[in-house]
Amino acid sequence: DAGITQSPRYKITETGRQVTLMCHQTWSHSYMFWYRQDLGHGLRLIYYSAAADITDKGEVPDGYVVSRSKTENFPLTLESATRSQTSVYFCASSGKGGRTETQYFGPGTRLLVL
Amino acid sequence: AQSVAQPEDQVNVAEGNPLTVKCTYSVSGNPYLFWYVQYPNRGLQFLLKYITGDNLVKGSYGFEAEFNKSQTSFHLKKPSALVSDSALYFCAVRDVDTGFQKLVFGTGTRLLVSP
Repeated sequence: DAGITQSPRYKITETGRQVTLMCHQTWSHSYMFWYRQDLGHGLRLIYYSAAADITDKGEVPDGYVVSRSKTENFPLTLESATRSQTSVYFCASSGKGGRTETQYFGPGTRLLVL
Repeated sequence: AQSVAQPEDQVNVAEGNPLTVKCTYSVSGNPYLFWYVQYPNRGLQFLLKYITGDNLVKGSYGFEAEFNKSQTSFHLKKPSALVSDSALYFCAVRDVDTGFQKLVFGTGTRLLVSP
């Protein structure tokens, strides 16, 4: 049961570089989400997607871009990385059963922007 | 707007003792409530959820949570703590009436269980 995977698990980059974080799920879940986890803030939603080719902003979308050409993949791109984007990034997915659905999380990507 | 508060940054308990991790919520409509656990360098794992019905919800690893509408609380409990329960616990809420699957998370409570 592969579930939901993220790559890379760790990434170090420099300010101004473009970085793409990958997320892949094997459940054919309709919904996918990107969160960032920072001390004192818990998890904050960056972007979400209800289906392939349907995406929308979450709470903290600035500086990030997403796409979803296939149901199973939901990459997150930092177009020009900044130090404030140093964080742990989690991808999650859930079925389209409505608001009772549970979100399941990937293992996370730890990103350091120098 | 929906929100969740976890008033304790850390909870310390001795192995074998009961544990409680507190969570209060605020939503405009009816809440769906969730508890997740995070072990070091891992993603969040689902523990349990309250949707409707019985106020006492049982979940994974012997955990349970009690929904209290009058106190707007959803405290996580376990009758007998294990050292392996030491982890970071997150409460999350979804507003039933505002549409979509957006979850709002608390800031987390670190549970330390001593031998």
